[in-house]
Amino acid sequence: QSALTQPRSVSGSPGQSVTISCTGTSSDVGGYNYVSWYQQHPGKVPKLMIYDVSKRPSGVPGRFSGSKSGNTASLTISGLQAEDEADYYCCSYAGTYTSVFGGGTKLTVL
Amino acid sequence: QVQLQESGPGLVKPSETLSLTCTVSGGSITRYSWNWIRQPPGQGLEWIGYAYYSGSTNYNPSFKSRVSMSIDTSKNQFSLKLTSVTAADTAVYYCARDSSDWLHLFDYWGQGTLVTVSS
Repeated sequence: QSALTQPRSVSGSPGQSVTISCTGTSSDVGGYNYVSWYQQHPGKVPKLMIYDVSKRPSGVPGRFSGSKSGNTASLTISGLQAEDEADYYCCSYAGTYTSVFGGGTKLTVL
Repeated sequence: QVQLQESGPGLVKPSETLSLTCTVSGGSITRYSWNWIRQPPGQGLEWIGYAYYSGSTNYNPSFKSRVSMSIDTSKNQFSLKLTSVTAADTAVYYCARDSSDWLHLFDYWGQGTLVTVSS
């Protein structure tokens, strides 16, 4: 079971949009619409931002959106704000009642 | 509001067994799956496995030979045991609830507990 592949870092200026990719295989990301995204600020607990590929939990700003194409899921943050600077992790159901996370992406707001 | 709290030793010797308990308050453990996720210092998240209220469990194949989980519905607690630990098992260990049937919707997390493996 290999970790999903994410870029190590992305950056953007306030107000811009950034997209973080999460690439897996047909056995995980591509095989199920069960992808989620987590935001983690330094020293803090991960926070659920997106689930079921594109659904937002209550309280998560509409600036955060998710999508999927084939074996790659994406998290897009529009109207970037300083508080969005954090690490982001994708997660996918991986079949046979297992789960797999991505390696994480550090988002820097310039 | 559901709350999770990990407890257990913060220091474990190499080759020994890491044991942690997660206590759930504000909600019943007799629904959903209850998971352990870890994060080595400066690294990413790694799913370890889950225990379901019925007692069923499943684990990340990477840990399968060393890990066991259990659940005690009478105490609203679930537990993790990881045997034969090495320095590579040093990490913050989180317990988390998955609100889906598909092991990706981790909506409630404990604060995490750092376990250091060292002699």
